[in-house]
Order: sequence, then C-alpha cells, then structure tokens
Amino acid sequence: GAVVSQHPSWVICKSGTSVKIECRSLDFQATTMFWYRQFPKQSLMLMATSNEGSKATYEQGVEKDKFLINHASLTLSTLTVTSAHPEDSSFYICSAFPGGGYEQFFGPGTRLTVL
Amino acid sequence: QKEVEQDPGPLSVPEGAIVSLNCTYSNSAFQYFMWYRQYSRKGPELLMYTYSSGNKEDGRFTAQVDKSSKYISLFIRDSQPSDSATYLCAMSQGAQKLVFGQGTRLTINP
Repeated sequence: GAVVSQHPSWVICKSGTSVKIECRSLDFQATTMFWYRQFPKQSLMLMATSNEGSKATYEQGVEKDKFLINHASLTLSTLTVTSAHPEDSSFYICSAFPGGGYEQFFGPGTRLTVL
Repeated sequence: QKEVEQDPGPLSVPEGAIVSLNCTYSNSAFQYFMWYRQYSRKGPELLMYTYSSGNKEDGRFTAQVDKSSKYISLFIRDSQPSDSATYLCAMSQGAQKLVFGQGTRLTINP
C-alpha cells in the first residue's frame, strides 16, 4: 500500500521557537496533501489543504501566519509552527492524496510538545 | 452542533462479540463515508469506504450508510483483541476534505 512518512515523530521545543514537520509520500506522487491536528481524545481537525506549487488553503480559525505550509514537490509538504506556544502542543498528522479515486493516505503523526 | 457526532465511548466487549459503532451527521451533502482505525499515537488507516447509501462487507467488517436518517454504522463480527483501537468515522462531499467524528475507543477483552 501507499506509504506516507512524517518526520520527526515527536519533538519538544521551548515556547517561542519554530518547529518544522515534514510529510513525505514515499511511493507515490501526491497532488494534494492535508494537515490535521488532533488533541488528546479528540478527533482529527483539518487545518489546511495544500497543492504542489500553490498556496495552502487554511480552514476557518487556523492562523496561516502561524502555521506555514510549503508543498514544494509532489512528494513533500512541510508544516512550520512559528513562535510555538504551549497551546500548540498537539498531535499533527498529514495525509496525501494521489489523485483519482477517493483514498488519502495518512502519515504516522508528529507529537509536538511546547514547554 | 458538530457536523459529525460519534459517541467517544469507551466501549469494552468480550472477545467474539459483535461490535456496533455509529455516527450521525447533519450535512446532507456528504456523499463519501469512511471508517478509519487508529492505534494509539499512530495515523488513521482506512477500514471501509462507502459511496452514498447502502451496505458494504469486507471480511468481519460491515459498513452501513442510511442517508435518509443521516446515520452510518460499522459492525465488527467475531471481534478480536487486535481490533482494540479507536475507530473514527469520516465523511466528505468530494472524497477529499474529510470531516471526522470524535472517535470511539474500543477494547476487546480476551
């Protein structure tokens, strides 16, 4: 099956610093990638949709200047949490959509803890 | 009101039992309905997919969609301890932008 990786799998940072999370589709090209956030015992909430070579589309309530998304190639999207604060601590999951069909493939997630 | 409602549980059943998981939704435009399984601190994996109304069976899993009632179900037969996970329903209008339920935490006891 299609494989999506995320790096790092977990990260701890100090308040005020920036953190970059990578999402890669390993064996297919992804026309679209999605970024989700999941708080403990909560559902996945879509943050933004990114298409290769174009600006990301953010969901209502998601600060685009805080969560910078770059979909640089058909196999790589990055999420940068800028000036992170403790309330940004969460589980961030990406998914990749190869185009055609219906299934998007999820990465294993990145746990971010901001101290 | 949330677009998708799902009882978070937890739900605990003995091995071999039939498990019934359900979601309700409010957006009548949803056409694609999915069930995902998520193990702790892992990404979701697709279990079942249904387009529009109807039933779909895959091994021990059966998914049902009733669009008239805005209600979807997942049944697990002959449940196994390895089925212990969080089950998330998800739905969308256009097969891409998914709206997830809260997830039901299921434990199958040996």
